[in-house]
Amino acid sequence: DAKTTQPNSMESNEEEPVHLPCNHSTISGTDYIHWYRQLPSQGPEYVIHGLTSNVNNRMASLAIAEDRKSSTLILHRATLRDAAVYYCILRDGSNYQLIWGAGTKLIIKP
Amino acid sequence: NAGVTQTPKFRVLKTGQSMTLLCAQDMNHEYMYWYRQDPGMGLRLIHYSVGEGTTAKGEVPDGYNVSRLKKQNFLLGLESAAPSQTSVYFCASSYDRPISGLPRDTQYFGPGTRLTVL
Repeated sequence: DAKTTQPNSMESNEEEPVHLPCNHSTISGTDYIHWYRQLPSQGPEYVIHGLTSNVNNRMASLAIAEDRKSSTLILHRATLRDAAVYYCILRDGSNYQLIWGAGTKLIIKP
Repeated sequence: NAGVTQTPKFRVLKTGQSMTLLCAQDMNHEYMYWYRQDPGMGLRLIHYSVGEGTTAKGEVPDGYNVSRLKKQNFLLGLESAAPSQTSVYFCASSYDRPISGLPRDTQYFGPGTRLTVL
């Protein structure tokens, strides 16, 4: 399974944009890029996903490099409620397994 | 809708004891999953099910058994608990087809069960 690499932690100020990077240099053509987040003491929740094109939804934006070897999750205006661990996951289109790394712990400073 | 619920929320076992964790979902999802999460780490898949009456092994299945007798329920059993099974256990479920622009396997998670084995 293809692997992802994320920084262990990042800090940002409240109400500023946050860019969370993810490297996935061994991505294959059929791998989708998924992002989940886990708020403290909760189960993970879906944030966004993409294949080749940049994607936007009500929670975030996903920018995918042209060669697909990296991607960036963008929170346009972080709030204290966005403090969580963010996981970047490659999902093979042919199986049911999400392979989770350790994620990036996002700390939001008021 | 309650979504995905897990019972119990907390449990302490002694080594060698057995227990069953219950996961229930009311979203009519086909797929269900059991994960464990150790401190500071991501989730690891234990077992999963793609439909009623079917189960399959995930990444770390040893020491666990599962059953999916009803579509809405997925049970995780520990026959003889060991301290290495101390962890937080999460259940998740997903559709088998894309829904409302979401990928077909967008997973919805329960709140978790914190298990300690002494």
